[in-house]
Amino acid sequence: RKEVEQDPGPFNVPEGATVAFNCTYSNSASQSFFWYRQDCRKEPKLLMSVYSSGNEDGRFTAQLNRASQYISLLIRDSKLSDSATYLCVVNRRNRDDKIIFGKGTRLHILP
Amino acid sequence: DAGVIQSPRHEVTEMGQEVTLRCKPISGHNSLFWYRQTMMRGLELLIYFNNNVPIDDSGMPEDRFSAKMPNASFSTLKIQPSEPRDSAVYFCASSFTSGNLDTQYFGPGTRLTVL
Repeated sequence: RKEVEQDPGPFNVPEGATVAFNCTYSNSASQSFFWYRQDCRKEPKLLMSVYSSGNEDGRFTAQLNRASQYISLLIRDSKLSDSATYLCVVNRRNRDDKIIFGKGTRLHILP
Repeated sequence: DAGVIQSPRHEVTEMGQEVTLRCKPISGHNSLFWYRQTMMRGLELLIYFNNNVPIDDSGMPEDRFSAKMPNASFSTLKIQPSEPRDSAVYFCASSFTSGNLDTQYFGPGTRLTVL
């Protein structure tokens, strides 16, 4: 089982709809969680950190479920500009620090 | 403020040649990361440095790959000899780490093609 798994998509969603992605991680020692966004032929950029209590940034909501070992990203009122690949990132600290990126979920917002 | 700077942005070379990728992290950041991204494997961490010291190089694919960080403002990733399967986008990222590995800022990447 891969350490971080995401549905690769693509998700084709009409503009204005709500879309949700999940990401599962296998190592319970994981401590920090992030969502990054990557546009086509560009570098990844931090979208938001994911806190235990869940957090919201405008139309974006991130949640963490430690018991089930998954994090989620919810995008409300989707815009054309939300079209991108969303990468789940997990940082674990056990005997060693390790940063693991998921392979990403592609999102296409349709006009 | 300047972000992470990488050079060259594109590199096309022939199999067997030496390739050197360069990175200048954001001033004040103490951690630097080298990644490789392909369609098949996604984004893979190759190596990361903290305070110029290599901490984890377990992602470096083989002895053909080497990375150095001679000072806080410069790092190189070298491939010698290069092979077609090394073709990928190589990203450098930096962060300020004060405990847990924190938010990383990525450079624009170097698109490497090995013929």
